[in-house]
Amino acid sequence: DVKVTQSSRYLVKRTGEKVFLECVQDMDHENMFWYRQDPGLGLRLIYFSYDVKMKEKGDIPEGYSVSREKKERFSLILESASTNQTSMYLCASHGRRGGANVLTFGAGSRLTVL
Amino acid sequence: SQQGEEDPQALSIQEGENATMNCSYKTSINNLQWYRQNSGRGLVHLILIRSNEREKHSGRLRVTLDTSKKSSSLLITASRAADTASYFCANAGGTSYGKLTFGQGTILTVHP
Repeated sequence: DVKVTQSSRYLVKRTGEKVFLECVQDMDHENMFWYRQDPGLGLRLIYFSYDVKMKEKGDIPEGYSVSREKKERFSLILESASTNQTSMYLCASHGRRGGANVLTFGAGSRLTVL
Repeated sequence: SQQGEEDPQALSIQEGENATMNCSYKTSINNLQWYRQNSGRGLVHLILIRSNEREKHSGRLRVTLDTSKKSSSLLITASRAADTASYFCANAGGTSYGKLTFGQGTILTVHP
């Protein structure tokens, strides 16, 4: 079965730490996404990438950066974590599945910043 | 905001009943999708309805789309306890690259 794997399910970090969230897909998809999910706010797009080394800002990119050095891997970086970045982070890739272009999500990474 | 609005925010029903969730956008709707999320997990794609379709079925799921009202609904018939989850609509709008704008979600609880 096709898969999007997020390396860390739960992380606890301190304010000011640098945080890396890793995401790997095995579907050879070109487009990958990072969302954050907060209660009452739904999913909000942080960054997306439509090709290796290509990236575009989403709706809430402030405080985040991304890296796409290889097609299968899309990393989200928090340069200096802050408490308001405590959230669930969801990675997804976009491609053909069951006859339609849809998003396939990872299981999520729940980050707590103390 | 281009984010979708879903209602109700929460829905609690008994097994065997039908569940209806609604979604609307302020922007045009294109290839509207519905996703499901079990607690603490990622989202799973359920069904996609294209702009030129008005209704689509998949098993116990029925989705309708009204592009003039920029709205969609998801009906789950004969619900089961295992249907307990959050349900999100997602709109591709006029964008490319698979960039979707999600609704805020409906939390469905099905009691055995």
